[in-house]
Amino acid sequence: AQTVTQSQPEMSVQEAETVTLSCTYDTSESNYYLFWYKQPPSRQMILVIRQEAYKQQNATENRFSVNFQKAAKSFSLKISDSQLGDTAMYFCAFKANSNSGYALNFGKGTSLLVTP
Amino acid sequence: GAGVSQSPSNKVTEKGKDVELRCDPISGHTALYWYRQSLGQGLEFLIYFQGNSAPDKSGLPSDRFSAERTGGSVSTLTIQRTQQEDSAVYLCASSLARINSPLHFGNGTRLTVT
Repeated sequence: AQTVTQSQPEMSVQEAETVTLSCTYDTSESNYYLFWYKQPPSRQMILVIRQEAYKQQNATENRFSVNFQKAAKSFSLKISDSQLGDTAMYFCAFKANSNSGYALNFGKGTSLLVTP
Repeated sequence: GAGVSQSPSNKVTEKGKDVELRCDPISGHTALYWYRQSLGQGLEFLIYFQGNSAPDKSGLPSDRFSAERTGGSVSTLTIQRTQQEDSAVYLCASSLARINSPLHFGNGTRLTVT
């Protein structure tokens, strides 16, 4: 079974500061993908960033970057220069080929609050 | 382009009634997924459709839940004899059938069973 663990239920950061959200996963698969999704109060799930397991280089999307440690099965999200609009639930997700096609396995999420 | 569309946005129903939730995926996406998100929880996988293949129903919590996908496009999730514990947000997502293809989500249907 593939599990995704987000150990921080809630976090808070001041505007313009940097925050890191942690995620660990467990799998025996060799080919997989990792994703971070953001869910603001509107309920819309928005893709933030994705990482291919076979790529050693960490993915970056503007202010968002990941620290992917394959051996440790760790996939943390760093948000730089935090903005008020970053306030949301953040979900880490894992995807591999399985009986459920390419369904995502999600962690329970981290609620991030950005304060002025 | 149009994203994943779900209807209704909100649904309030009485315990014991049946409900139907609709999902219209992105055109060209052959894979369609239903997830359930209970208050303060992550997303729970319910069912997966891929093209004309038999769906993977392994995540459906009971036989009161069923889903169909007509013509490889629109999907309907049906909950029969609703219970209060069915109250949740039901999210639909679609994607291309590739491992590196991200899932695109609709805005969900918030179901409240009174």
